[in-house]
Amino acid sequence: DIVMTQGALPNPVPSGESASITCQSSKSLLHSNGKTYLNWYLQRPGQSPQLLIYWMSTRASGVSDRFSGSGSGTDFTLKISSVEAEDVGVYYCQQFLEYPRTFGGGTKLELK
Amino acid sequence: EVQLVESGGGLVQPGASLKLSCVASGFTFSDYWMSWVRQTPGKTMEWIGDIKYDGSYTNYAPSLKNRFTISRDNAKSTLYLQMSNVRSEDTATYYCTGRMRWGQGVMVTVSS
Repeated sequence: DIVMTQGALPNPVPSGESASITCQSSKSLLHSNGKTYLNWYLQRPGQSPQLLIYWMSTRASGVSDRFSGSGSGTDFTLKISSVEAEDVGVYYCQQFLEYPRTFGGGTKLELK
Repeated sequence: EVQLVESGGGLVQPGASLKLSCVASGFTFSDYWMSWVRQTPGKTMEWIGDIKYDGSYTNYAPSLKNRFTISRDNAKSTLYLQMSNVRSEDTATYYCTGRMRWGQGVMVTVSS
């Protein structure tokens, strides 16, 4: 199985500051078709996860442009510019290159 | 609006069976692969499996393949998860996902 490892944030993050969440995969998620098979989700307190980013860097419909995804084949970053109260929650990365699909352990974002 | 609504959870005894349902609306259900994901009380995300849009193909997490079965009824826009011989470690919130959306989740507690 592909292991997904997420980094921690230096919480709490001051409102208005940027935050970067890292995720590393044990195998490259770059497919021969040029696409990278990585999703980012946000789970706000008491809610179900919401897709933020797919194909490593494509924002899902309705997602603020304050969220951006980048990376290489095995190292990925979700950047949140100007953190707001609605960004509080746990962020998960997930690979969908291979079965079984696997998730990172989550990164909690708290607001100062 | 895309909606996924799970049902069928609750308290169940070890060794019993349980069938979860997920009713989809707001999109053409029969056009999409659908998945089940669970989240443990410790917030770990575990992918359970998925099913092709026409129901002809399924994939499962190897650790769950022998006890869990995913099916669908496209005429009813409904996804199912049949769980058998449940164990305490199956205690989790179960989510139905598809078309980039997640349902609100349904809790399953396995306890005597």
